Amino acid sequence: KQEVTQIPAALSVPEGENLVLNCSFTDSAIYNLQWFRQDPGKGLTSLLLIQSSQREQTSGRLNASLDKSSGRSTLYIAASQPGDSATYLCAVDSGGGADGLTFGKGTHLIIQP
Amino acid sequence: KAGVTQTPRYLIKTRGQQVTLSCSPISGHRSVSWYQQTPGQGLQFLFEYFSETQRNKGNFPGRFSGRQFSNSRSEMNVSTLELGDSALYLCASSRDWGGSYNSPLHFGNGTRLTVT
Repeated sequence: KQEVTQIPAALSVPEGENLVLNCSFTDSAIYNLQWFRQDPGKGLTSLLLIQSSQREQTSGRLNASLDKSSGRSTLYIAASQPGDSATYLCAVDSGGGADGLTFGKGTHLIIQP
Repeated sequence: KAGVTQTPRYLIKTRGQQVTLSCSPISGHRSVSWYQQTPGQGLQFLFEYFSETQRNKGNFPGRFSGRQFSNSRSEMNVSTLELGDSALYLCASSRDWGGSYNSPLHFGNGTRLTVT
C-alpha cells in the first residue's frame, strides 16, 4: 500500500527566503506526482504535475523535482512571498487510476512579512 | 473557463439522515473524483466516475455512493450518517480518467458536512 509522507509538517520563514518542501513515497512504481496548495476553507489548487518519466517541472517561482528510484520529490519555492502562505500537499498516482491519488498530510507554510 | 463547482458549501445533518452532494466539473472534463478530507486522516479517495461509469472505489463502506450524469455532473450520497462522516468533501475533475499522463486534477472548494 502506497504511503506518502511530507516533512516538515509546518514551516515558518521570513519573506524573501528560498525554501524546500519534501515529499517521500514508499512505492516507486508511480504514474505521476502532483503538488497542490490549499488555502484555509478552500479546495486544492494544482501547482505542478510530474509524469513518471520526468525529473522536474517548473512554473514561475516553483520548481518540483522527482526521483522515483529513491521515492522522493521536492518543491522549491524561490523568493517566498506572504501570498505563498498555505498548506502544500503532495499526491501520487500509483494505481493507474485504480486507487485515486494518495496524499501526504501536507506542509503548513507561513511566510512572515 | 468556470472551475469545478460544488453545492452546497455547508451542510448540517443529524445522525441517521442521508445527504446528497453535487459537483459540476470543468466543461469538457469527463472524469469526476470524490475525496474526503478530515484532520485525522487527511485526504482519502472515495470513488471516480468516467463517462457515467464508476471506475474505482476507495476503502469506504457501502453507505457512500455516487453517480454521474450524461453531462458529467456528479452526485455523491451518504446514507445513515454517522458522526465520523463530518468532513470536507472535495470533488475533482480531469479531462481523462484518473492516472492518465498529463491530466491533472482540478478541485472544487468542497462541501463542509457536519453531522450532529
